Amino acid sequence: KQEVTQIPAALSVPEGENLVLNCSFTDSAIYNLQWFRQDPGKGLTSLLLIQSSQREQTSGRLNASLDKSSGRSTLYIAASQPGDSATYLCAFQDTDKLIFGTGTRLQVFP
Amino acid sequence: SQTIHQWPATLVQPVGSPLSLECTVEGTSNPNLYWYRQAAGRGLQLLFYSVGIGQISSEVPQNLSASRPQDRQFILSSKKLLLSDSGFYLCAWSVRGGKNTEAFFGQGTRLTVV
Repeated sequence: KQEVTQIPAALSVPEGENLVLNCSFTDSAIYNLQWFRQDPGKGLTSLLLIQSSQREQTSGRLNASLDKSSGRSTLYIAASQPGDSATYLCAFQDTDKLIFGTGTRLQVFP
Repeated sequence: SQTIHQWPATLVQPVGSPLSLECTVEGTSNPNLYWYRQAAGRGLQLLFYSVGIGQISSEVPQNLSASRPQDRQFILSSKKLLLSDSGFYLCAWSVRGGKNTEAFFGQGTRLTVV
């Protein structure tokens, strides 16, 4: 059974710092990886999708990588801003299902 | 463009009452549809998913059921709510049959069972 772990569970940093959020999974037979952002009390917003044949994707200040052999994905946030404060979730596609990690709660203070 | 709608946004129901949450998708056909629950301080748990009309897969035994009466409509129901059914319910869709498809979520329904 696929298990997904996100480290750290929570993170509080001053604005301007570069951040790395980690996501690990137990079964390398995944289709793709997706990173989401969730603001309090809201739904999930898709940030990046890394397809199975890709190793990374970039969008603005965000960069996500995928290493299937080691069972890891990282989300890199450059020059963090208070508006980045949210919970970040990774999810792996397993056939027809998305399996989620428990999330990293990020707070960026001015 | 595709959009996904969930309603209601919030709901307070007494124990033992029935439940019906609705989710609809616009701008796409034959989507995979999903219901997730997020309990307070916990991750997202997949409850049900559907790859077609009338096709429902249940991930965990529970007090809930799901139905897909139309291609782009997904309904989450209960005959009698329990306190433990409280949580944040999210509907999502993705392109059917794709191995590298992106999933999109609705804004969620906050259910409080009292």
